Amino acid sequence: DAMVIQNPRYQVTQFGKPVTLSCSQTLNHNVMYWYQQKSSQAPKLLFHYYDKDFNNEADTPDNFQSRRPNTSFCFLDIRSPGLGDAAMYLCATSRDPGTGNNEQFFGPGTRLTVL
Amino acid sequence: GQNIDQPTEMTATEGAIVQINCTYQTSGFNGLFWYQQHAGEAPTFLSYNVLDGLEEKGRFSSFLSRSKGYSYLLLKELQMKDSASYLCAFKDSNYQLIWGAGTKLIIKP
Repeated sequence: DAMVIQNPRYQVTQFGKPVTLSCSQTLNHNVMYWYQQKSSQAPKLLFHYYDKDFNNEADTPDNFQSRRPNTSFCFLDIRSPGLGDAAMYLCATSRDPGTGNNEQFFGPGTRLTVL
Repeated sequence: GQNIDQPTEMTATEGAIVQINCTYQTSGFNGLFWYQQHAGEAPTFLSYNVLDGLEEKGRFSSFLSRSKGYSYLLLKELQMKDSASYLCAFKDSNYQLIWGAGTKLIIKP
């Protein structure tokens, strides 16, 4: 089945220790998104790639970086995690957002704990 | 500016019907989505409305009124597995999704 895969599902890191979260997709969608979601809050878009074009949200901290080496893979790097970065990180994909019902397909998420 | 609002929590009884409302304000609108999210899991797509009216899909229906900036999700014949958060999100003029915080639906036997 075509899907969005995230690894790891659970990640524990120490304050200030860099961490990388990965996302892969078999849907061949050209858009990939990274969201941060805290308990009982809306998903917060961090950035997205439209093919290779990187789009950073204005309020995404510099501590968060992303890489998309090819269509299938996308990575989220948190350079110096703080306690406030503990959250669920969701990867999603979609077709061209400008074309009708371009629903976003989500991976299962990575829950990040910062000690 | 843009904003989107939905109730924080609702409670309903198994077998009953519940309507979850969502109101939004935006200068550019390109459709509205409803997603279901079980605790600790990723959101899954339920419905998409771009024109006014009701879209029915099994036990779930979604309604949109663009002039009123209003949508609702109607769940019929509630089952215990329907206990989840329901998030509405509209697509703005830049085709980005603006998400609500979700409505936590609690189903009681």
